[in-house]
Amino acid sequence: GAVVSQHPSRVICKSGTSVKIECRSLDFQATTMFWYRQFPKQSLMLMATSNEGSKATYEQGVEKDKFLINHASLTLSTLTVTSAHPEDSSFYICSAPDRRGASTDTQYFGPGTRLTVL
Amino acid sequence: AQSVTQPDIHITVSEGASLELRCNYSYGATPYLFWYVQSPGQGLQLLLKYFSGDTLVQGIKGFEAEFKRSQSSFNLRKPSVHWSDAAEYFCALSLKAAGNKLTFGGGTRVLVKP
Repeated sequence: GAVVSQHPSRVICKSGTSVKIECRSLDFQATTMFWYRQFPKQSLMLMATSNEGSKATYEQGVEKDKFLINHASLTLSTLTVTSAHPEDSSFYICSAPDRRGASTDTQYFGPGTRLTVL
Repeated sequence: AQSVTQPDIHITVSEGASLELRCNYSYGATPYLFWYVQSPGQGLQLLLKYFSGDTLVQGIKGFEAEFKRSQSSFNLRKPSVHWSDAAEYFCALSLKAAGNKLTFGGGTRVLVKP
């Protein structure tokens, strides 16, 4: 199956700082990637769709100025949490659809990034 | 709008026993359906998927799922559970018309007793 990586796996930062999380498709190209947020013991909530070469599409209620998304290449999308606050502490997961062959609609997930804001 | 419901928040099963996780969806047509598993602190791993065709789908780790259009269900089963199957399981659907964005159910946490 397709492989998606995330970096870092865990980050602790002070309130007010910005944190960048990278999502990479390792063995396939992804013109679209998705960013999710997951609170403890809860399901995944889609935050935004990252589009290579164009602006990201944000879900309702997600602050685009707070969560900056850049999809600079066909294998890399970044999520920057700007001026992070404790309420931004969460598990952030990215996914990418592998459109090779017949698996055009299957998404593969990164291992996630645990963000803790002190 | 489409939705996915997993009625069971927790399920405890003995090792070696069978397991069935329920998933119901709401959508006017047949969506693409998926089951993912998440171990603690990890990302999601795809177990199996249904797009069309044979309604009984085989996946990895000995899991299978059956799509029932009449019941709008896509239940996951495993005949004999191993301790390593303890995890969180998510049912999800995607719609091609919605750019293949996934809609997740609330998840079912599976505990395996020795």
